[in-house]
Amino acid sequence: QVVLTQSPSASASPGASVKLTCTLSSGHSGYAIAWHQQQPEKGPRYLLRVNSDGSHNKGDGIPDRFSGSSSGAERYLTISSLQSEDEADYYCQTWGSGVGVFGGGTKLTVL
Amino acid sequence: EVQVAESGGGLVQPGGSLRLSCTASGFTFSRSWMTWVRQAPGKGLEWVANIKLDGTEKYYVESVGGRFTISRDNAKNSLYLQLNSLRAEDTAVYYCARDMVASGVVTIDHWGQGTLVTVSS
Repeated sequence: QVVLTQSPSASASPGASVKLTCTLSSGHSGYAIAWHQQQPEKGPRYLLRVNSDGSHNKGDGIPDRFSGSSSGAERYLTISSLQSEDEADYYCQTWGSGVGVFGGGTKLTVL
Repeated sequence: EVQVAESGGGLVQPGGSLRLSCTASGFTFSRSWMTWVRQAPGKGLEWVANIKLDGTEKYYVESVGGRFTISRDNAKNSLYLQLNSLRAEDTAVYYCARDMVASGVVTIDHWGQGTLVTVSS
């Protein structure tokens, strides 16, 4: 069964860039994943899907500041020109062999 | 505009049942896999179940197997989750979500606003 691993927290200053990582478990490095943002007291929002070749598919209305990339078993979400509203929990998600899974989430603080 | 809207949440006693509904619009429902996700208070997201576009395949997280049933009615653009034998640990906001399928991997690409289920005596 696929497992997704994320760092619990990250922080960066307004205007800076941050790169969040989601690591796929052994044997699953070919999987695509999706990134979702959950702002405080709100429901999740789909950001983009990152494929194993690094290509990504963004959700409607997602700013160009959000981008995805890939290297081996790692899938990345890069947020550039950080804004205060980017402070949120970020989850990666995938599905394989009949089971869906989320990473534990990364809490991003914009200092 | 793609929209999915959940309903049916509420307060239920342990051991009780509840049926959640999700109404979809703005896309061809019959061509989309659909998923239920939940989030317990203060916790992360947990994938619960999903269903293939024609309802012929259904998948569940192990912790709800045998108690929860996912179903759909494509004629009504509706998704359902029947929750039976509810436990306190099933207390959560339940989200309906549309899936995107490519290269055999299913990921969520649109979320509803969620409906709260509280299991308590």
